[in-house]
Amino acid sequence: GNSVTQMEGPVTLSEEAFLTINCTYTATGYPSLFWYVQYPGEGLQLLLKATKADDKGSNKGFEATYRKETTSFHLEKGSVQVSDSAVYFCALSEGGTYKYIFGTGTRLKVLA
Amino acid sequence: NAGVTQTPKFQVLKTGQSMTLQCAQDMNHNSMYWYRQDPGMGLRLIYYSASEGTTDKGEVPNGYNVSRLNKREFSLRLESAAPSQTSVYFCASSRDGLKGYEQYFGPGTRLTVT
Repeated sequence: GNSVTQMEGPVTLSEEAFLTINCTYTATGYPSLFWYVQYPGEGLQLLLKATKADDKGSNKGFEATYRKETTSFHLEKGSVQVSDSAVYFCALSEGGTYKYIFGTGTRLKVLA
Repeated sequence: NAGVTQTPKFQVLKTGQSMTLQCAQDMNHNSMYWYRQDPGMGLRLIYYSASEGTTDKGEVPNGYNVSRLNKREFSLRLESAAPSQTSVYFCASSRDGLKGYEQYFGPGTRLTVT
């Protein structure tokens, strides 16, 4: 079946460091891919998305590229801030079903 | 434009009590979802509603019932709460889940069953 695998956290970085959170997926079709962010005590917010191979999603300095050849959608940011501390979820929707598959989340902590 | 709203934000129940979690969206979305979030397990789908008038089971439906009251509202009912249902519950909506549009989430309900 479809699945999403994220790197385990927590990830702890100093402010202005480079961030990568790995995400790989398995899917039988051509899924849409998403990154969501969850701040403490809040619901998930869409961070970025990509709907086809080689698409790059970007928002608030975060980027992720849909790589079909490696079935990956890694999240990157060039310079993290303390305010980026949150839990990040990778997710996919294959379309043709109503279901979305989420990774288990990666907690990021950024130190000043 | 409030997006997705959920009530209540917090609830404590005793084993065997019942309650209904309310969810409403004002984005004219067709598809709505209920998830539970437990530590280390990500999000698990309880029930979903593809469109007004339809509901379907997700990954963990046991112990829950749902009602799609109209296009805006989708409620989740616990008939006889159990400690295993202690969790954070999120409602979400999507313009059209069949086409893979992104989901929008409510702020969550933190439920404790003692």
